[in-house]
Amino acid sequence: EDKVVQSPLSLVVHEGDTVTLNCSYEVTNFRSLLWYKQEKKAPTFLFMLTSSGIEKKSGRLSSILDKKELFSILNITATQTGDSAVYLCAVPPIYNQGGKLIFGQGTELSVKP
Amino acid sequence: AAGVIQSPRHLIKEKRETATLKCYPIPRHDTVYWYQQGPGQDPQFLISFYEKMQSDKGSIPDRFSAQQFSDYHSELNMSSLELGDSALYFCASSIGVNNEQFFGPGTRLTVL
Repeated sequence: EDKVVQSPLSLVVHEGDTVTLNCSYEVTNFRSLLWYKQEKKAPTFLFMLTSSGIEKKSGRLSSILDKKELFSILNITATQTGDSAVYLCAVPPIYNQGGKLIFGQGTELSVKP
Repeated sequence: AAGVIQSPRHLIKEKRETATLKCYPIPRHDTVYWYQQGPGQDPQFLISFYEKMQSDKGSIPDRFSAQQFSDYHSELNMSSLELGDSALYFCASSIGVNNEQFFGPGTRLTVL
């Protein structure tokens, strides 16, 4: 059965800290992995990763994929209170070409002032 | 930039009533997905459509049905509502399947 597992489930840090969120997956016919940020509303798209070892970066956020070890990490440097959110990792299994996303449980990040 | 539009944003229904949720994808997006998210849970896939045809089906109850119209908007019809149907319903759209999905603001359905 396809599954996505995130860790930790929750994390509390102080502003300025650097955090690393983990996502491991077991998916038939892997194609891509996506990261979303959810703040009490709709998930907001962050990154889509398809190739191993190529870092994607957007401001203080970066992410990388390891297709051999079947995991991805999301790094946030110099965290700010506005980074507080649930970070979701998702993978689309393509065995039936439907494109649905299987989500991990999410990591709830709380950044304290 | 245009985003996914969902209506209504909030809906309150009684048990056994019906509800219709609407989703308008980002312009030029041809694929629409519906997800259900309960409190404290991750989004669960319900159903998706690509070019007006159902492309995948997840854990969608038989009481629910959905379709995608010629203008690519989609409607999720929910009948015989149960208390357990109370959740946030997200619609997402993409260009083709297996590309990044962009989510709408969601419809919060409360069944009393």
